[in-house]
Amino acid sequence: DVKVTQSSRYLVKRTGEKVFLECVQDMDHENMFWYRQDPGLGLRLIYFSYDVKMKEKGDIPEGYSVSREKKERFSLILESASTNQTSMYLCASSTMDRSNSYEQYFGPGTRLTVT
Amino acid sequence: QKEVEQNSGPLSVPEGAIASLNCTYSDRGSQSFFWYRQYSGKSPELIMSIYSNGDKEDGRFTAQLNKASQYVSLLIRDSQPSDSATYLCAGSPRTGKLIFGQGTTLQVKP
Repeated sequence: DVKVTQSSRYLVKRTGEKVFLECVQDMDHENMFWYRQDPGLGLRLIYFSYDVKMKEKGDIPEGYSVSREKKERFSLILESASTNQTSMYLCASSTMDRSNSYEQYFGPGTRLTVT
Repeated sequence: QKEVEQNSGPLSVPEGAIASLNCTYSDRGSQSFFWYRQYSGKSPELIMSIYSNGDKEDGRFTAQLNKASQYVSLLIRDSQPSDSATYLCAGSPRTGKLIFGQGTTLQVKP
């Protein structure tokens, strides 16, 4: 079974703090993704990565950065947390194998509250 | 904008009935489609993938794809209260990313 883990289930941070969210997958997947999910807005893609040290902006990258130093690990960084970044953050991974046509598998999510 | 559209619901069905969830998409280049189930406060879980026109069955779940009509559906037979969740439809435009719909909330009443 594919396993995607995230470093924290719940996190409370103060405005202005630098926040690190970590994601690890154990299936040797090439692709990794960070989403945020808010009521009424659905899943929104923040950043994704096709390979180590590769990253591409998604739909809402402002205020975020990412790091992928190893294939299995993809980190999301909030440079200076703000209250409007309070959300559920979801990491996902998928293979480049076209026979699976990019099925994505999600981690358990991190509910971040910025006060 | 390439989109996937779903009715947000809630769709309410009695226990034991067939629940029918529908999704339309705008990108004709999308080849693969996925249904995810998401319980409140949890992350999405992949339950069905479909890549070609027609039906695909897995237990109580049947996914249907009609590329000519740009329409995807998920049927849940013998619905159970434990099926109550939000169901997300997603399409793959072969960029490696998925385009998600907003989700349909299903309520199965005992």
